Amino acid sequence: DAGITQSPRHKVTETGTPVTLRCHQTENHRYMYWYRQDPGHGLRLIHYSYGVKDTDKGEVSDGYSVSRSKTEDFLLTLESATSSQTSVYFCAAGGGTQPQHFGDGTRLSIL
Amino acid sequence: RKEVEQDPGPFNVPEGATVAFNCTYSNSASQSFFWYRQDCRKEPKLLMSVYSSGNEDGRFTAQLNRASQYISLLIRDSKLSDSATYLCVVTLGGGSQGNLIFGKGTKLSVKP
Repeated sequence: DAGITQSPRHKVTETGTPVTLRCHQTENHRYMYWYRQDPGHGLRLIHYSYGVKDTDKGEVSDGYSVSRSKTEDFLLTLESATSSQTSVYFCAAGGGTQPQHFGDGTRLSIL
Repeated sequence: RKEVEQDPGPFNVPEGATVAFNCTYSNSASQSFFWYRQDCRKEPKLLMSVYSSGNEDGRFTAQLNRASQYISLLIRDSKLSDSATYLCVVTLGGGSQGNLIFGKGTKLSVKP
């Protein structure tokens, strides 16, 4: 158990609504990450954080924002969800030159 | 050129077989290397890190060739439970905060 939990695990919502996904870690990792995984694309980095209030963009950041007000929590927000954001979202913690450990994932469907 | 390339498979092998996966990466500044395994509809889990000298963990052997920018994973005596997708993962160099670049994975199916 890597001590990383994501909530919710599943969500269905409508286009144009705001959505927030939460990632919580208990291992005091400095780095935290949000990925999305889609068929044919593998895992792609959305945003990452290298400390409280320190975040940066990843490969596919358009349409997403993040916040990290505490070491243990990293939030991913879709301000106005679109159908192209239907995906499986994974949070991870760890990093630097060390491996990352992943949460169980959130399955998000946007209708 | 894609940053991390893997043969997508699927590799269909009988129990007890030896199977090898290969991976190439494009960024010569990559510093750390890993193999993850991902079961269907589950999160990726670290299988093993890959060291320059090569390393072994039970039935699994990983090797790295920095000159050729090539990583391999060998699985001996395959078990049904080895069926999964295997992800080759490298970290970017150059102060990228340890961001991982994932290959798309190689699917393995071990049959009785």
